[in-house]
Amino acid sequence: NAGVTQTPKFQVLKTGQSMTLQCAQDMNHEYMSWYRQDPGMGLRLIHYSVGAGITDQGEVPNGYNVSRSTTEDFPLRLLSAAPSQTSVYFCASSYSIQGWEQYFGPGTRLTVT
Amino acid sequence: QQPVQSPQAVILREGEDAVINCSSSKALYSVHWYRQKHGEAPVFLMILLKGGEQKGHEKISASFNEKKQQSSLYLTASQLSYSGTYFCGTNTGTASKLTFGTGTRLQVTL
Repeated sequence: NAGVTQTPKFQVLKTGQSMTLQCAQDMNHEYMSWYRQDPGMGLRLIHYSVGAGITDQGEVPNGYNVSRSTTEDFPLRLLSAAPSQTSVYFCASSYSIQGWEQYFGPGTRLTVT
Repeated sequence: QQPVQSPQAVILREGEDAVINCSSSKALYSVHWYRQKHGEAPVFLMILLKGGEQKGHEKISASFNEKKQQSSLYLTASQLSYSGTYFCGTNTGTASKLTFGTGTRLQVTL
């Protein structure tokens, strides 16, 4: 099993550009989530999904869109990148958030100039 | 609202013990503990559920006081490999969200 994979590993964007961060898992997990990690802030939940076709907002959803068309994939779209979105982004998956461990992907380091 | 972790940072000599605390202002269904080494992804350590169930690594111990909405992670006979940042995540049971604290940085030295 590859576990949770994320692409790209590094990305530099100019302000206003859009892009999609890819996340895939091969563990047949229903729950998937996106976090951003900034120095001193811990992990903050952006969006999450409890199954294909079902998504919901986390703590910091503004400027990001998600969709979940399959169990395996959960892409995160930045609509119009801003310097405040410079961060490390982690995707995670789990059978369920209530009582099961999350498996984290290796992360994407995004810089917006 | 993020749970509060204490201490923010701690330095230990190898073999010493440490306790990391996590406190929430909300009633909790579960508390999750993760460790993250520099430049890496967080790795699961333990889940503590309301009612007393625990899942996690054998060498890690933790407690969950449901009445006080507090959890503590106990690291005994620390090893160099214990170094990293420890995060607690809390779930209230009303939504499928995990809210993480800002982390406790642990450094173990020789």
